[in-house]
Amino acid sequence: AQKVTQAQTEISVVEKEDVTLDCVYETRDTTYYLFWYKQPPSGELVFLIRRNSFDEQNEISGRYSWNFQKSTSSFNFTITASQVVDSAVYFCALSEARGSTLGRLYFGRGTQLTVWP
Amino acid sequence: NAGVTQTPKFRVLKTGQSMTLLCAQDMNHEYMYWYRQDPGMGLRLIHYSVGEGTTAKGEVPDGYNVSRLKKQNFLLGLESAAPSQTSVYFCASSYYPRDGGHQPQHFGDGTRLSIL
Repeated sequence: AQKVTQAQTEISVVEKEDVTLDCVYETRDTTYYLFWYKQPPSGELVFLIRRNSFDEQNEISGRYSWNFQKSTSSFNFTITASQVVDSAVYFCALSEARGSTLGRLYFGRGTQLTVWP
Repeated sequence: NAGVTQTPKFRVLKTGQSMTLLCAQDMNHEYMYWYRQDPGMGLRLIHYSVGEGTTAKGEVPDGYNVSRLKKQNFLLGLESAAPSQTSVYFCASSYYPRDGGHQPQHFGDGTRLSIL
């Protein structure tokens, strides 16, 4: 069965600190996709990144970086020099890449990040 | 550039009433999804559709029905609303190219539904 675990329910940091959000997943599939979404206080869901199971390269986009490690089934997200505008709930999600359940997203419970000025 | 539009944005119902949530997308996506979001639970899939005229159950389908009569619309119905259905409902759409690529789902802004 597919499962995504975000063990950190809430994280609070002070502006300019680095913060890492953890995501651990379970799947029997060899081909799958991993996602991160951001949900700011306004409530909409904003897509941040997609990763497929064959690409373990880390990725950096501005202050954001992602560390994908198949050996530990983890897909962690780091924000460098955090800002107040980063305050949001962050969701990690898993999707199967084939079969009758193609495209179904399995979400973690989310991590509430609060960045204090 | 509308993307995924959900109506209504807010609604308050009494127990036992019925209503329909509408999701419309203008991206010609084949796949559409309905999720509910409850505090501390993340998003859970209610029903989904892989094309016009087809629907399938997700993780928490009980108490809901769906229809996909037109490719661009995906309706979520509550026949007899219950307080346990108080939630924020999100619709999403996506497509999956034949050569792979697995595009991310595009989400609407959500519908906040309260059942008294």
